[in-house]
Amino acid sequence: QQQVKQSPQSLIVQKGGISIINCAYENTAFDYFPWYQQFPGKGPALLIAIRPDVSEKKEGRFTISFNKSAKQFSLHIMDSQPGDSATYFCAASMGTPPTDKLIFGTGTRLQVFP
Amino acid sequence: KAGVTQTPRYLIKTRGQQVTLSCSPISGHRSVSWYQQTPGQGLQFLFEYFSETQRNKGNFPGRFSGRQFSNSRSEMNVSTLELGDSALYLCASSFRGPRGELFFGEGSRLTVL
Repeated sequence: QQQVKQSPQSLIVQKGGISIINCAYENTAFDYFPWYQQFPGKGPALLIAIRPDVSEKKEGRFTISFNKSAKQFSLHIMDSQPGDSATYFCAASMGTPPTDKLIFGTGTRLQVFP
Repeated sequence: KAGVTQTPRYLIKTRGQQVTLSCSPISGHRSVSWYQQTPGQGLQFLFEYFSETQRNKGNFPGRFSGRQFSNSRSEMNVSTLELGDSALYLCASSFRGPRGELFFGEGSRLTVL
């Protein structure tokens, strides 16, 4: 019940296209949903995050859509660029210190071809 | 501001040996978390330390242990290494813990032969 299921495992998109990565969760106690971006040879870095009181958050070409009733959230990358090629991890967090946790999805490897 | 530093970056061990990995967090960050990254499994949470106390622990066997020093630097140890322990071990520091922004190091790549 503390899992976060992420799909697809890999994604190939042409430059200028839209990349969509989906995540689903079961535990309704999750209340913070960040996305991390990882380039080869680097550690993940926070890309964008959302809380369940909003249905959408946009930062530049990156948008998180959140569907509380379906317990799903997704990352949309508009006008995808080769520089977006990376592995993307969704995550979900719940609780308060000291018992708070961050659970990651299994990752999506995105390749954007020119 | 210096980022999170992990050492060593690469290491090769044989089954049965033990290994110690080190992490220096961003200055001022008191929370340090450790994750194991393997293909297909994503980022698996090992444990989190805050002000020298282990606050949370993932579902890993007791062979995996860690500690945090008074300067917030952290180490993790894996004893009696198994082939399946081959992975990238990532350390992340943050000001408040898992619900704040995590700053990851570049990881320590462990290969067990």
